[in-house]
Amino acid sequence: QSALTQPPSASGSPGQSVTISCTGTSSDVGGYNYVSWYQQHPGKAPKLMIYEVIKRPSGVPDRFSGSKSGNTASLTVSGLQAEDEADYYCSSYAGSNTYVFGSGTKVTVL
Amino acid sequence: QVQLQESGPGLVKPSGTLSLTCAVSGGSIIITNWWSWVRQPPGKGLEWIGEISDSGYTDYNPSLKSRVTMSVDKSKSQSSLMLTSVTAADTAVYYCTREFGAFTPFGYWGQGTLVTVSS
Repeated sequence: QSALTQPPSASGSPGQSVTISCTGTSSDVGGYNYVSWYQQHPGKAPKLMIYEVIKRPSGVPDRFSGSKSGNTASLTVSGLQAEDEADYYCSSYAGSNTYVFGSGTKVTVL
Repeated sequence: QVQLQESGPGLVKPSGTLSLTCAVSGGSIIITNWWSWVRQPPGKGLEWIGEISDSGYTDYNPSLKSRVTMSVDKSKSQSSLMLTSVTAADTAVYYCTREFGAFTPFGYWGQGTLVTVSS
């Protein structure tokens, strides 16, 4: 059970969009529509931003959107704001009642 | 709003046992059935440790399965985590979570508790 692959970093200017990828295999990301995304600010607990690939919990801005193609899921943050600067992690159901996280991506707002 | 609070010793000796408890309050607790534990070594990423249902059914990360035991006390709305034979590599912030929905186990998070393994 290997961690899902995310780019270590991503950045964008305020108002721009940034997209983070999360690459797994057909045994996890590609095999199930149970990918979720988490935002983590320094010293804080992660927060659920996207679940079941594309769904947003109540209270999460619609600037955050998710998608999936094959074994790669993506999180897009549109209209970047200063408060979006954080670490982002993906997670996927990996079969046999197990879960796996991504390696994490640090998003910097320039 | 669902609130989770982890508690337990912040320092454990090498080869000892790490024991943590998580209490949940507020929100529609009755709707969600699963607790999970997640850890994060300092400066590193998240790792799923395992999950337990309110009825006591468990699933563990294969890499930790031989050392992990989870339990639940539904009457107290609490879950517990035990990790045996700890080493410095087990030093991490440990989080408990409650599910948001089916196959979304990390919907609600506790604030986390740092456990350091050191003599």
